[in-house]
Order: sequence, then C-alpha cells, then structure tokens
Amino acid sequence: AQRVTQPEKLLSVFKGAPVELKCNYSYSGSPELFWYVQYSRQRLQLLLRHISRESIKGFTADLNKGETSFHLKKPFAQEEDSAMYYCALIGSGGSNYKLTFGKGTLLTVNP
Amino acid sequence: EAQVTQNPRYLITVTGKKLTVTCSQNMNHEYMSWYRQDPGLGLRQIYYSMNVEVTDKGDVPEGYKVSRKEKRNFPLILESPSPNQTSLYFCASSFRRGSGMGSPLHFGNGTRLTVT
Repeated sequence: AQRVTQPEKLLSVFKGAPVELKCNYSYSGSPELFWYVQYSRQRLQLLLRHISRESIKGFTADLNKGETSFHLKKPFAQEEDSAMYYCALIGSGGSNYKLTFGKGTLLTVNP
Repeated sequence: EAQVTQNPRYLITVTGKKLTVTCSQNMNHEYMSWYRQDPGLGLRQIYYSMNVEVTDKGDVPEGYKVSRKEKRNFPLILESPSPNQTSLYFCASSFRRGSGMGSPLHFGNGTRLTVT
C-alpha cells in the first residue's frame, strides 16, 4: 500500500524566514512525487514534481529515496506563500493510476 | 481556455434527495477523478476513471456513483445523500500515464455540498 505522511498540520513562520514542509512516503517501487498548493478559496494546482527538478516560486523539493522523503523548501518565505500544501504520490507499477495525497500542511507566513 | 468545470459551486440539500455534481474537461484528458476534502483528513479519492466506460473505486467510494459515457464528462452521483457526505468535492483530470511518467492533475474549482 502506498502512503503519504505530512507530519505537520500547521506551520507558521515569519516573512523572510526559511520554510520546510515535510513529506514522507511509503511505497515499495519507484514513486513519482508532487507538491500541490491550494491558496485561499482557489482550486488546487500543481506546484512541483520531482521529475522536473525545477524551482517554482522559489520552492524546491528533492526526492530522497534513502529517507523516503520529498520535503518542500524555500529559503525566504513570503506572505503570499500562505496556503495549504499537499504532497502526493503516484505509484509507478502496473496500470493503476492511484494518486495518494497527504493530509496537507497549512502554511501561514506572518508579516 | 483549458479547464475543468464543476457545477454547482454550492449545493444545500436534504438527506435522501438524489443529486448529481457535474464535471467537464476540455483538454481531451483520458484520466478523471473525484476527491472529497475534509478538515484534518486532506484529499481522499472517491472514484477515478482511466478512460471512457472504465471506472474504479478510490479510497472512499461508499455512497457515491460515477459514470464515464463520454471522455469529457465525469458526473458524481449521490443516490441518497447523508449528512456525513457534507464536504468539499473536487474533480480533476490529466493525460493518461505514458512511458512511466505521471502527468499532473488539473483541478476544478470545487463544489461545497451540505446535506442536512
């Protein structure tokens, strides 16, 4: 079974501080991992995926297979980063396209 | 504009009165899915569809039905809604996985359902 764990329900930082949103996963094969973001009263949208190895809005995430983690990081948080963040996993085996989400972390960036 | 459209945005109904939430996408995506979002529980998959006439249960399918008669539409049906189905519902779509690489989901704006 595949599982995504986001240990922090709430995370509060001050503007300009570094931020790290944790994501750990459980999957026996090679997973594909994503971060989705939901700003207040808006739809979920893709922020990052590990295969792209890109930086979006200053955020980066590295897949660490040894630690089974995919933490989301930003060196200097901005107020507009306040949102709900979801880590998600797709298993790569078979024909199943089951996308599993973590329970989400609500990030608040204070002025 | 490429988008996933859900209707209605808000719905208040009573226990047992059948309802349908529509979902339509204009991106020719093969894969479509329904999620419910509840505080503290995150997003949980209800049903998904890999292609026309192909549907599968997600994590929380009880009390829901879906159909996929056309590629663009994936309605969610609650035959006899109950208060525990009060939630925020999201429809999503994506291209089918190919060459081992997943494609990201495009989400609708959500439907807030209240069952009294």
